[in-house]
Amino acid sequence: EVQLVESGGGLVQPGGSLRLSCAASGFTFSSYEMNWVRQAPGKGLEWVSYISSSGSTIYYADSVKGRFTISRDNAKNSLYLQMNSLRAEDTAVYYCARGAPDTVTTDYWGQGTLVTVSS
Amino acid sequence: QSALTQPRSVSGSPGQSVTISCTGTSSDVGGYNYVSWYQQHPGKAPKLMIYDVSKRPSGVPDRFSGSKSGNTASLTISGLQAEDEADYYCCSYAGSYTFDVVFGGGTKLTVL
Repeated sequence: EVQLVESGGGLVQPGGSLRLSCAASGFTFSSYEMNWVRQAPGKGLEWVSYISSSGSTIYYADSVKGRFTISRDNAKNSLYLQMNSLRAEDTAVYYCARGAPDTVTTDYWGQGTLVTVSS
Repeated sequence: QSALTQPRSVSGSPGQSVTISCTGTSSDVGGYNYVSWYQQHPGKAPKLMIYDVSKRPSGVPDRFSGSKSGNTASLTISGLQAEDEADYYCCSYAGSYTFDVVFGGGTKLTVL
């Protein structure tokens, strides 16, 4: 069974940093692309970042470019999101989502971790 | 404001059919056959229901179907059931110059 478990969320002040983790199990993690997607409270979904299976190709949404860094450790079956210079508008539930094979979509999502940026 | 436009809400009675539209542009919905639909129940993670416009992942009932015409994609749910009540989001690849994915604002489906 595919499982994705996010952790690392919490309350942080504007301008602060946070590192999210996503532990993957139930599939060959190193063979799959991965994404981070967020959802502000009561709002819709927003794609944040993409990383290829090897980690060699990375993309970001314009809203986080230059502030967030996606990475992965295939030996540890883990995905990460380093978030710096956090703003109030970054407040959201952050989901890690597996890239579906042979297409551009995500097929499995974790339960999410809440990040609150507030003073 | 979301990149893709969905109706805020739709409703239907059990057994009926409903269709949710998702309107984009030639740079996203109209330009690629990479439209997906997600179902999200309150407090839960999104679940993939349709991908590549009209394909269903294993385990998704065939009551759910997808289509596309021009810049508008549609999700149709036939034989409505109480458990179909949820938020539905469309999603499209939009990577003209770089990788980009855009979502609709979501549609609340109420089963009357």
